[in-house]
Amino acid sequence: EIVLTQSPGTLSLSPGERATLSCRASQSVSSSYLAWYQQKPGQAPRLLIYGASSRATGIPDRFSGSGSGTDFTLTISRLEPEDFAVYYCQQYGSSPAWTFGQGTKVEIK
Amino acid sequence: QVQLVESGGGLVKPGGSLRLSCAASGFTFSDYYMSWIRQAPGKGLEWVSYISSSGSTIYYADSVKGRFTISRDNAKNSLYLQMNSLRAEDTAVYYCAREGPGLSFDIWGQGTMVTVSS
Repeated sequence: EIVLTQSPGTLSLSPGERATLSCRASQSVSSSYLAWYQQKPGQAPRLLIYGASSRATGIPDRFSGSGSGTDFTLTISRLEPEDFAVYYCQQYGSSPAWTFGQGTKVEIK
Repeated sequence: QVQLVESGGGLVKPGGSLRLSCAASGFTFSDYYMSWIRQAPGKGLEWVSYISSSGSTIYYADSVKGRFTISRDNAKNSLYLQMNSLRAEDTAVYYCAREGPGLSFDIWGQGTMVTVSS
């Protein structure tokens, strides 16, 4: 099973700042199968990025994804008040299995 | 609009059973692969089970294999999860989710809470 480790655990930033979230895999992941989600309290996760870098329908262009192999990044170029939430990366690998990272909380500084 | 609505959660004793349902609307349910994903209180997301569009291919996480059964009824636009031999560690919000591009999950239900406690 591929383990995804997200860092940092918590990111304290102000609105307007840039957020950089990391997702590291225990072994190489196909970029085609790496996704990012946003989850707010009491809500279901929302798909942001699939295929490592493609934005899902309706996702603002301040969200971008990059990376390959074992290292992937979600960048929020300028934080809006509604972006403060928990973010998860997810991959599909062999077994077959889908696995998620443990999450990064982006909080208001 | 595209929507998934789960139901069937509740409080159950260890060793008990529960059947979750997920009603789909706003899209052609029979065209899509579906999964159940859970989230324990205050914890992260855990994929539980997958079923292909026809129901012919099914996968389970090791943590539920032999205890949970996924199924679907395309005529009723519904997905199910039969959960037997429930344990305290199965306590979680259970989401149904539609498989999207790149084997992501593009549509999620609002979730249904399952609590396993004596």
